Amino acid sequence: DAGVIQSPRHEVTEMGQEVTLRCKPISGHDYLFWYRQTMMRGLELLIYFNNNVPIDDSGMPEDRFSAKMPNASFSTLKIQPSEPRDSAVYFCASSFIGGDTEAFFGQGTRLTVV
Amino acid sequence: GQQLNQSPQSMFIQEGEDVSMNCTSSSIFNTWLWYKQDPGEGPVLLIALYKAGELTSNGRLTAQFGITRKDSFLNISASIPSDVGIYFCAGPGYGKLTFGQGTILTVHP
Repeated sequence: DAGVIQSPRHEVTEMGQEVTLRCKPISGHDYLFWYRQTMMRGLELLIYFNNNVPIDDSGMPEDRFSAKMPNASFSTLKIQPSEPRDSAVYFCASSFIGGDTEAFFGQGTRLTVV
Repeated sequence: GQQLNQSPQSMFIQEGEDVSMNCTSSSIFNTWLWYKQDPGEGPVLLIALYKAGELTSNGRLTAQFGITRKDSFLNISASIPSDVGIYFCAGPGYGKLTFGQGTILTVHP
C-alpha cells in the first residue's frame, strides 16, 4: 500500500481565497483524522471520521473550516475564506481500528496564507 | 480534555550520547504510543506499549509504560545524527489520539 496520500504538498494562497486539502487514506482503514501542526500549538486534532461519518469536530477552529468524506477513499478539508493565521502543516491520518491503535500519517500539506 | 505533558521540550546532544525523555498525564491511559517526526514528514510510530510496567525495545530505543499508567519514558542509546527530529508521545481515548507537545532532538556530529 502507498500509505496515506495527501495533496498538495505545498499550498500558497492569498488571504480570502478558498483552500481545499485532499487526503486518500490507507485502503481498509475505517478511521480518518485531520490534524493541524503549528509551532505554538503543536499537533491539534481538528476532526475525525469513522466509516465516512464525522464523529468529533470539536477541534475545528471556526466555521471557516469544513471537512467531508464522501467515500471510504477520499476526504477533503476546506478553508473558506483563508486567513494568515491558518498557515500551518495539515496532516491526514488513518487507522484500522480507531484511536486506540496506531494512526498512519500522510506527509502533510504545508499551507501558507499571505 | 486529556492532556499529555512532555519533557524536555528540546535537547541538544553530541553523537553517541544517550537520550531520555518522558511524558506524563493527569489521566490514566491503557496504551502509550511514541512517534517520531522527521523534518518535512508526518509522524511515524516507533514503539507501542499496552501494559502497565511494560518495557519494550526497538533497536536502540527503549520505552516503558509507567506503573501508574499516567506516564511513559523513551530512551535512545548511542544517538546518531539521523535521530534528529521531533518525538511525540500519544495516548488513545474516546476513539482518537491525544499527542504531547513533542521533544525536539538535535544531535551534533
